[in-house]
Amino acid sequence: QKEVEQNSGPLSVPEGAIASLNCTYSDRGSQSFFWYRQYSGKSPELIMSIYSNGDKEDGRFTAQLNKASQYVSLLIRDSQPSDSATYLCAVKDGNNRLAFGKGNQVVVIP
Amino acid sequence: KAGVTQTPRYLIKTRGQQVTLSCSPISGHRSVSWYQQTPGQGLQFLFEYFSETQRNKGNFPGRFSGRQFSNSRSEMNVSTLELGDSALYLCASSWTSGGFSGANVLTFGAGSRLTVL
Repeated sequence: QKEVEQNSGPLSVPEGAIASLNCTYSDRGSQSFFWYRQYSGKSPELIMSIYSNGDKEDGRFTAQLNKASQYVSLLIRDSQPSDSATYLCAVKDGNNRLAFGKGNQVVVIP
Repeated sequence: KAGVTQTPRYLIKTRGQQVTLSCSPISGHRSVSWYQQTPGQGLQFLFEYFSETQRNKGNFPGRFSGRQFSNSRSEMNVSTLELGDSALYLCASSWTSGGFSGANVLTFGAGSRLTVL
């Protein structure tokens, strides 16, 4: 079982809608969770970090963490064409290694 | 403030050769991590260095090695290159590697794209 799973295929959302991304992880000892955005041909950039259960909001982005169920999610409200990118879930495991999921491509349709 | 700098940005090698990639972290950052990114496998952790010591290592063969210097700059080396080593190699730095604050957040460089022919 891969450490961090992002199973959804490409996600197409109309401009102004909410994009919802999910991620599950296998190591119960994980303590730090991140969402990175990667534009085509660019390197990943951090958009959210979350360390405790619950929701964390930053502008149009909301990260949700549920350690009991071992999942992390990201909501993008009022999606814009500039949000079109691949979103990577990253989890720091109990050994302090940061593992990434394979990513979800989001396409925002004007 | 300067970001993470990786050199070279692009390089082409042939099978059997070796390659050395360089990474200069953000000033003050002491932790440097290396990742390999391919379309099929995504981002895979290679290793992490902190204060010149390797703190973590991923599941890569011994052909992949690295080191960190006293000024926190890091290099990684791949010997006896194989076709499958063609990838984007990303370096990322952070203040620390543990804890629950922004100090452990990774900032990535632009990457070094290696093509093995």
